[in-house]
Amino acid sequence: NAGVTQTPKFQVLKTGQSMTLQCAQDMNHEYMSWYRQDPGMGLRLIHYSVGAGITDQGEVPNGYNVSRSTTEDFPLRLLSAAPSQTSVYFCASSNGQGGTDTQYFGPGTRLTVL
Amino acid sequence: EDQVTQSPEALRLQEGESSSLNCSYTVSGLRGLFWYRQDPGKGPEFLFTLYSAGEEKEKERLKATLTKKESFLHITAPKPEDSATYLCAVHPARGGKFQFGAGTQVVVTP
Repeated sequence: NAGVTQTPKFQVLKTGQSMTLQCAQDMNHEYMSWYRQDPGMGLRLIHYSVGAGITDQGEVPNGYNVSRSTTEDFPLRLLSAAPSQTSVYFCASSNGQGGTDTQYFGPGTRLTVL
Repeated sequence: EDQVTQSPEALRLQEGESSSLNCSYTVSGLRGLFWYRQDPGKGPEFLFTLYSAGEEKEKERLKATLTKKESFLHITAPKPEDSATYLCAVHPARGGKFQFGAGTQVVVTP
């Protein structure tokens, strides 16, 4: 199993550009989530999904869109990038409804918005 | 509002010098408390899940404990390879939104 994979590993955008961060898992997990990690602030939940076709907002959803058309994939879209979105982005997945099950994290995408 | 606070922010230890990290939380019902280890440039790596007060779990030099308001991660006789940032997260009973603390950065010197 590859676990949770994320692409790209690094990305530089200009303000106003759009892009999609890819996340895939091969563990047949129902629950998937996106976090951003900024210095001194820990991991903050952006969006999450409890299964294909079901998504919900986390703590910091503004400026980001998600969809979940398959169990395996959970892409994160930045519609119009802003410097405040410079961060490291992590995707995670877990079994069940994400209640008592462990979340497994991908390696992260480091995004810089100029 | 759910809140997770970790202390200290940073910890510098000599090899063999045992210490404890604290994770205090305020949630309306707890489904689970999680400890992760994160190395620079990598994603968090799962260490432990604790579900109820009084529960303890151990892995090598690490031991996690849980009370109704806080969790401790004890590092016994640490080695330089234990250097990492340790993250605590809670999953409230009412929803699917995990809440992470800011982490404790641990440096163990030979």
